Amino acid sequence: AQRVTQPEKLLSVFKGAPVELKCNYSYSGSPELFWYVQYSRQRLQLLLRHISRESIKGFTADLNKGETSFHLKKPFAQEEDSAMYYCALNRMDSSYKLIFGSGTRLLVRP
Amino acid sequence: DSGVTQTPKHLITATGQRVTLRCSPRSGDLSVYWYQQSLDQGLQFLIQYYNGEERAKGNILERFSAQQFPDLHSELNLSSLELGDSALYFCASSPSGVPDTQYFGPGTRLTVL
Repeated sequence: AQRVTQPEKLLSVFKGAPVELKCNYSYSGSPELFWYVQYSRQRLQLLLRHISRESIKGFTADLNKGETSFHLKKPFAQEEDSAMYYCALNRMDSSYKLIFGSGTRLLVRP
Repeated sequence: DSGVTQTPKHLITATGQRVTLRCSPRSGDLSVYWYQQSLDQGLQFLIQYYNGEERAKGNILERFSAQQFPDLHSELNLSSLELGDSALYFCASSPSGVPDTQYFGPGTRLTVL
């Protein structure tokens, strides 16, 4: 079965520190992976999509098929990065649903 | 706002009742997805419609149903409500019916008392 695991419920760092939000997936086929972010009182927004290989707001994520991971990284965290982050998997077949991880709350302290 | 809209924002009702949640997709998007977010289950896919037709089903209870209308807005109907149905219900839309980036609405918070 497909599964997305985000092992950390909460990650607390100081401003300027590096950040890595972990995401591991379980899927036998070729997945498409996303990071969505939900700022306080706002809707879920797309942050990154692995096939576009963009860097958004300083965040990057690399798909590691060997380790089945898609960790989200930022070298220097900012207070405005504090939010809930969800990793999601979309199967590259006829199924159209996004499978979400349980989310990691990032808290960036001043 | 040309993004995904959902009404109402909040809904409080009693067990056994029936409610309807409404979603309008982004302009030009043909696919609508419904998700349920609860504390114990996280974000769970419920159902997808593409251009008026049901395309995919997830963990949707038989008490729940949905439809997409010719103007592409969608409604999620929840009946015989139980306390455990209390959750945040998100709608998302995407341009096509194939796996693509999904754009989310603000959600409807349902409280069943």
